[in-house]
Amino acid sequence: GENVEQHPSTLSVQEGDSAVIKCTYSDSASNYFPWYKQELGKRPQLIIDIRSNVGEKKDQRIAVTLNKTAKHFSLHITETQPEDSAVYFCAAPYRVNDYKLSFGAGTTVTVRA
Amino acid sequence: DAGVIQSPRHEVTEMGQEVTLRCKPISGHNSLFWYRQTMMRGLELLIYFNNNVPIDDSGMPEDRFSAKMPNASFSTLKIQPSEPRDSAVYFCASRTGGAYNEQFFGPGTRLTVL
Repeated sequence: GENVEQHPSTLSVQEGDSAVIKCTYSDSASNYFPWYKQELGKRPQLIIDIRSNVGEKKDQRIAVTLNKTAKHFSLHITETQPEDSAVYFCAAPYRVNDYKLSFGAGTTVTVRA
Repeated sequence: DAGVIQSPRHEVTEMGQEVTLRCKPISGHNSLFWYRQTMMRGLELLIYFNNNVPIDDSGMPEDRFSAKMPNASFSTLKIQPSEPRDSAVYFCASRTGGAYNEQFFGPGTRLTVL
């Protein structure tokens, strides 16, 4: 099944700066890559996802890029704000078209005021 | 919609006791997932159901864990007997449609086994 690796494990940024989190995956056939955000003590929530037929997707201050050749995808947060402080998880289907997701280990993002 | 509902929100029990966690998925969702989250192991999928049928239980740690989904609006995760290493946050999530639709997580149950 799919193996997803996520880096870095922790990230501290100054408010207003950008944050980038990168994930690599093992199965070249993988075609769906969601990102979840989990605030302290809360549930994970989907913030953005990308399918393999596009290279980039944006939603206001967040964007995800996908490099199928290198088998990695990244989350970009621009103009970071204190409310962006959370743990972010990337994921990919355990197998193509599988309902089961393999999650990365998570990145704890801290935005310093 | 109230979202995915889990109960109890917190559970403290003693080693050896039976623990039952409950989940009500979002109405109309046909897939249900049980996850366990710990600092050491991150977010792990324990089991998932599709149309009330268990599809993949390869993540269930051992025979002490069991899960049921008797109907489309209710699922349980049971641990018997519980052990301190079972202490974690257990999330239930549900989703509808194809494999690439969003999973909606419940608020979780924080389990502490003394």
